[in-house]
Amino acid sequence: QKEVEQDPGPLSVPEGAIVSLNCTYSNSAFQYFMWYRQYSRKGPELLMYTYSSGNKEDGRFTAQVDKSSKYISLFIRDSQPSDSATYLCAMSNYMLLTQGGSEKLVFGKGMKLTVNP
Amino acid sequence: DAGVIQSPRHEVTEMGQEVTLRCKPISGHNSLFWYRQTMMRGLELLIYFNNNVPIDDSGMPEDRFSAKMPNASFSTLKIQPSEPRDSAVYFCASSFYAGGPPDPTDTQYFGPGTRLTVL
Repeated sequence: QKEVEQDPGPLSVPEGAIVSLNCTYSNSAFQYFMWYRQYSRKGPELLMYTYSSGNKEDGRFTAQVDKSSKYISLFIRDSQPSDSATYLCAMSNYMLLTQGGSEKLVFGKGMKLTVNP
Repeated sequence: DAGVIQSPRHEVTEMGQEVTLRCKPISGHNSLFWYRQTMMRGLELLIYFNNNVPIDDSGMPEDRFSAKMPNASFSTLKIQPSEPRDSAVYFCASSFYAGGPPDPTDTQYFGPGTRLTVL
């Protein structure tokens, strides 16, 4: 079993729809959870960053973490064509951080989302 | 800041040739990461450096791959000899970590990637 599992999709929705993207993970040591957005032929860029369990909201985006279920989600409300991209979840733990002095991330494979006008 | 700079953006080469990918991290960042992205395997960490020192190269697929960081503003990833299965997009990312619990400002900033095709 891979450390991080993410359905690669693709997912196609109409404009205005609510989108739900999910990842599961197996390593209970993960403490920091991120969502990256990657536009076509670009590098990933950080979209949301959460620590431990709970919700975090930023505009139309909400990130949820359920550590008991080892499950994280990203919700996009009122989706727009400009949200069309690949969304990757990523995780890290503080032990990896302190050992290496850097934030080593483990990524999901990414879910390709298309929002149709 | 110009962000992370990678060159070349595209590389097409023949099997057996040496390939060198280059990266200039964001000024002031103390960590540098090399990733490979394919449809089948997603984004994989190959190696990362902290303060120019290689910390973890466990993701480097085989001895044909090598990476160097001679100074804080430059890194290379070399493949010699290249094989068709090395075809992928290679990303460089950099970050700054000052110690203590991480926060979003420690995030990795990715370059635009080098699309490598080995024929």
